[in-house]
Amino acid sequence: DTEVTQTPKHLVMGMTNKKSLKCEQHMGHRAMYWYKQKAKKPPELMFVYSYEKLSINESVPSRFSPECPNSSLLNLHLHALQPEDSALYLCASSQVVRGNLVGELFFGEGSRLTVL
Amino acid sequence: AQSVTQLGSHVSVSEGALVLLRCNYSSSVPPYLFWYVQYPNQGLQLLLKYTSAATLVKGINGFEAEFKKSETSFHLTKPSAHMSDAAEYFCAVRKTSGSRLTFGEGTQLTVNP
Repeated sequence: DTEVTQTPKHLVMGMTNKKSLKCEQHMGHRAMYWYKQKAKKPPELMFVYSYEKLSINESVPSRFSPECPNSSLLNLHLHALQPEDSALYLCASSQVVRGNLVGELFFGEGSRLTVL
Repeated sequence: AQSVTQLGSHVSVSEGALVLLRCNYSSSVPPYLFWYVQYPNQGLQLLLKYTSAATLVKGINGFEAEFKKSETSFHLTKPSAHMSDAAEYFCAVRKTSGSRLTFGEGTQLTVNP
């Protein structure tokens, strides 16, 4: 059983749609992450939130908009996506010690996004 | 600069044979090292981690890895492969506390009956 929960598991959207991916963790972690993973490739870091503040943005296009409403929740808002944005989107969490990201990442099962 | 290299994008073994997946890192200081497994259409699951407490690290599902500073390696092994071990395996490194996690390119393990 994973302690990082992502919804939905599958999402199909058109290029003009607006949708959101959601992530929830109950491990008391204060860092949460969004990764994008294409087939047969390692996960690519998109965003990191530490104590609900955006700490890392890997030059992700503005059609991806992250939001961290509280320490347990992380959203990724999607708008005007392109077919090449189709991928598995992974949420993860980790501990923060004295302001530093530490330890392993705990991943959710992912949301499989298809953009038509 | 590449921080972690996984040698062999595909490894194929017979059921019951030894599994050896290679990982080399580049770091001037002892890093934090991790092995993750990913089954099809699932997230990444932590197999084991090295955090300097012991050089031989035992993980879940019978896997273990040995940190060798002289070789800058952290190879993953399992004495006897099971069909259920077929998956993608990622080595990852965090160079220092606070730095981001860097993943290797991954190794696809196939287990033949």
